Amino acid sequence: QKEVEQNSGPLSVPEGAIASLNCTYSDRGSQSFFWYRQYSGKSPELIMFIYSNGDKEDGRFTAQLNKASQYVSLLIRDSQPSDSATYLCAVNPSSNTGKLIFGQGTTLQVKP
Amino acid sequence: NAGVMQNPRHLVRRRGQEARLRCSPMKGHSHVYWYRQLPEEGLKFMVYLQKENIIDESGMPKERFSAEFPKEGPSILRIQQVVRGDSAAYFCASSPPTQGAGGYTFGSGTRLTVV
Repeated sequence: QKEVEQNSGPLSVPEGAIASLNCTYSDRGSQSFFWYRQYSGKSPELIMFIYSNGDKEDGRFTAQLNKASQYVSLLIRDSQPSDSATYLCAVNPSSNTGKLIFGQGTTLQVKP
Repeated sequence: NAGVMQNPRHLVRRRGQEARLRCSPMKGHSHVYWYRQLPEEGLKFMVYLQKENIIDESGMPKERFSAEFPKEGPSILRIQQVVRGDSAAYFCASSPPTQGAGGYTFGSGTRLTVV
């Protein structure tokens, strides 16, 4: 079992729709969770982080965390073609180091 | 306020040569992390360094790879006797000492091609 799993996609949604990206992790002791966006040929860009169970909203983005189910998700409302990118879920397995375990990423395509 | 600076942006090496990748952290940041992204794969942690100290090198290959972060100057990721399988994008990130783990900024990366 991979430490952090994501569906590679591509996930295709029409412009204006809600995109839902999912991630599961295996280490039950994981402390913090991150979503990065990576455009082709570019470096990853941090878009959301969440530490506590529940929802966290930032503009069109909502991160959801369920530690009991070891599940993290990212919702993108009113999806735009500029949101087309690969979304990387990352988990910090311990609060004592800065190490992140990344999933393979989900490719999102938003069609005009 | 410059971000994390990596150079070179692109590096081409022949098999057997050495590759040296540099990373200058953001101002005030004393923690540096190196990740590698192979084609069509996610990022893999390699090493976490503080000034003059390696904190976690659990992701570093046992041979040919080394990293340092001296008191003065950039962090260096060194790959000796490169092979085709080392071709990848290498990303560096930095954080200040007090920041919680993980929410760091990546540099633009060095794309290494071994021919």
